Amino acid sequence: GENVEQHPSTLSVQEGDSAVIKCTYSDSASNYFPWYKQELGKRPQLIIDIRSNVGEKKDQRIAVTLNKTAKHFSLHITETQPEDSAVYFCAASLVSGGYNKLIFGAGTRLAVHP
Amino acid sequence: DTAVSQTPKYLVTQMGNDKSIKCEQNLGHDTMYWYKQDSKKFLKIMFSYNNKELIINETVPNRFSPKSPDKAHLNLHINSLELGDSAVYFCASSQEDFRGGYTFGSGTRLTVV
Repeated sequence: GENVEQHPSTLSVQEGDSAVIKCTYSDSASNYFPWYKQELGKRPQLIIDIRSNVGEKKDQRIAVTLNKTAKHFSLHITETQPEDSAVYFCAASLVSGGYNKLIFGAGTRLAVHP
Repeated sequence: DTAVSQTPKYLVTQMGNDKSIKCEQNLGHDTMYWYKQDSKKFLKIMFSYNNKELIINETVPNRFSPKSPDKAHLNLHINSLELGDSAVYFCASSQEDFRGGYTFGSGTRLTVV
């Protein structure tokens, strides 16, 4: 079925700590896994993505890891800052009728406390 | 230069009315989407168009009718609005292979009273 599960639903950390958000997907044909950040009242914005031929990708303080066998992927944010506070969404691609779409997880509300 | 623009940003209307939301992208993307974000922030796909052709039509009431006059525009018309239609509606566009991911519009907050 079409399902992306995301945990935790809320995450509270102290400034400078690391934050990890985990997602699992159900379709083994999924091959594209983006992460989006949505600040209050704003649009979701792509922060990092990974394709199924890569196990890990890093961009400054954020990194994503992918375990295709277990159908897991995770977002890691190091040295968190108050401006990292937002809702984060994972997504996985799914082929439907020969075309791709993204199925989103339910979101994680991250709060970084100074 | 806004890449994906949606209008209006806010829409407050009474039950039973008909309303439209417009979306335009200037990125040259072939594929456009409508997503609904409910009060719990869940993003659910409604429709997708590729080069003006409807390619994905999720289980959405037929009161919702998308229209794509050309590949840069995707509009959403909603008939007989109901209270449960209240949500934020996001338009998005992408390359077919998701290069660069989705680019979302700024959203339309629809409130049905």
